[in-house]
Amino acid sequence: AQSVSQHNHHVILSEAASLELGCNYSYGGTVNLFWYVQYPGQHLQLLLKYFSGDPLVKGIKGFEAEFIKSKFSFNLRKPSVQWSDTAEYFCAVSLIYNQGGKLIFGQGTELSVKP
Amino acid sequence: GAGVSQSPRYKVAKRGQDVALRCDPISGHVSLFWYQQALGQGPEFLTYFQNEAQLDKSGLPSDRFFAERPEGSVSTLKIQRTQQEDSAVYLCASSTRGQGNTEAFFGQGTRLTVV
Repeated sequence: AQSVSQHNHHVILSEAASLELGCNYSYGGTVNLFWYVQYPGQHLQLLLKYFSGDPLVKGIKGFEAEFIKSKFSFNLRKPSVQWSDTAEYFCAVSLIYNQGGKLIFGQGTELSVKP
Repeated sequence: GAGVSQSPRYKVAKRGQDVALRCDPISGHVSLFWYQQALGQGPEFLTYFQNEAQLDKSGLPSDRFFAERPEGSVSTLKIQRTQQEDSAVYLCASSTRGQGNTEAFFGQGTRLTVV
């Protein structure tokens, strides 16, 4: 079965530190890749997505992610985090040809940014 | 509407009670998904509708779970004879079409607590 693995459950950073959250998936076929963010008390929101083309994708609020097909990875990065980035981050995969676009999520990474 | 709306936001049920959770997708969205998110975990797929047709119910954990979308808009997730392991946040998402390269928009979820 397909799965998504996020390496860090809880990350604590100071403001202005750089961020990298790891995400690996297990599926040999073509996938679509997503990062969703959930701010405290809010719903899941799309941060960025990769469907095809340039493997380096840029999202909202200065986030970017790089798809490395050979490593089955889609790591999220931000050069300088802010206190307002405190949230839970979910990596997700959908299989390109089936199942209507249902998402397979990782277990999430909680990011705490200290002011 | 402006976003995906779910009701109630919170539900406490006694073990053995039946519950019904409602989802109002974004107007015009063809696809509708239900996910279950246990504490500390990522969302897990339950079921998928394209218009009124339930095309995938592979994620429903038991025959106590039932979902419907009779007119292709509002959807209801029903859980019969609730058990403690059903305690979770139930998320609804909708998208414009049933393909993997489409952004899904999430509601805020219904937090179900079974006591």
